[in-house]
Amino acid sequence: DQQVKQNSPSLSVQEGRISILNCDYTNSMFDYFLWYKKYPAEGPTFLISISSIKDKNEDGRFTVFLNKSAKHLSLHIVPSQPGDSAVYFCAASYAGTYKYIFGTGTRLKVLA
Amino acid sequence: EADIYQTPRYLVIGTGKKITLECSQTMGHDKMYWYQQDPGMELHLIHYSYGVNSTEKGDLSSESTVSRIRTEHFPLTLESARPSHTSQYLCASSERGLEEKLFFGSGTQLSVL
Repeated sequence: DQQVKQNSPSLSVQEGRISILNCDYTNSMFDYFLWYKKYPAEGPTFLISISSIKDKNEDGRFTVFLNKSAKHLSLHIVPSQPGDSAVYFCAASYAGTYKYIFGTGTRLKVLA
Repeated sequence: EADIYQTPRYLVIGTGKKITLECSQTMGHDKMYWYQQDPGMELHLIHYSYGVNSTEKGDLSSESTVSRIRTEHFPLTLESARPSHTSQYLCASSERGLEEKLFFGSGTQLSVL
């Protein structure tokens, strides 16, 4: 049973527009969420994270929103650039555990 | 910037061979992890370590073994590789504390023929 779900396997966006990547989770104990970017044959690179005590965290072009009641988080990329084309994974964790549960990823393609 | 290194980047070997995937980090992190990832799938934890001489199996059953004799080094060994072991293997590390970020190496793409 997948505890972290990314229901959109792929997304295409025009350069300069907003990219919105979604992630849902089922375990209410999760209190820390992360987004990673991954190129083929490379390791994931950390992008941004959010703690459950916040509902928004911003870092440059990247903003993560957390809706705890809906058990949903989203990553907004504005403006999108061709270099953002990659697979994006969301991950969830909770305090005192080694567990980071990953979603299956969303492949973002930013069209020039 | 994360300093975690994996070698080799790519490995093609025959069935039955013994292999060791190397992972080293220079950040002094106590926690280290091995994940396995296939295209279109989530990352699955196969091993983790809280520190020297501490290793545990992860959620995904794996025929591989690991060791942690030094803080910076966390190698993964397959005694007898099979085609079902073909996958990408990702090593990661994190600091102790709350809100720990995982730092990943570049991965090893393993193909067993």
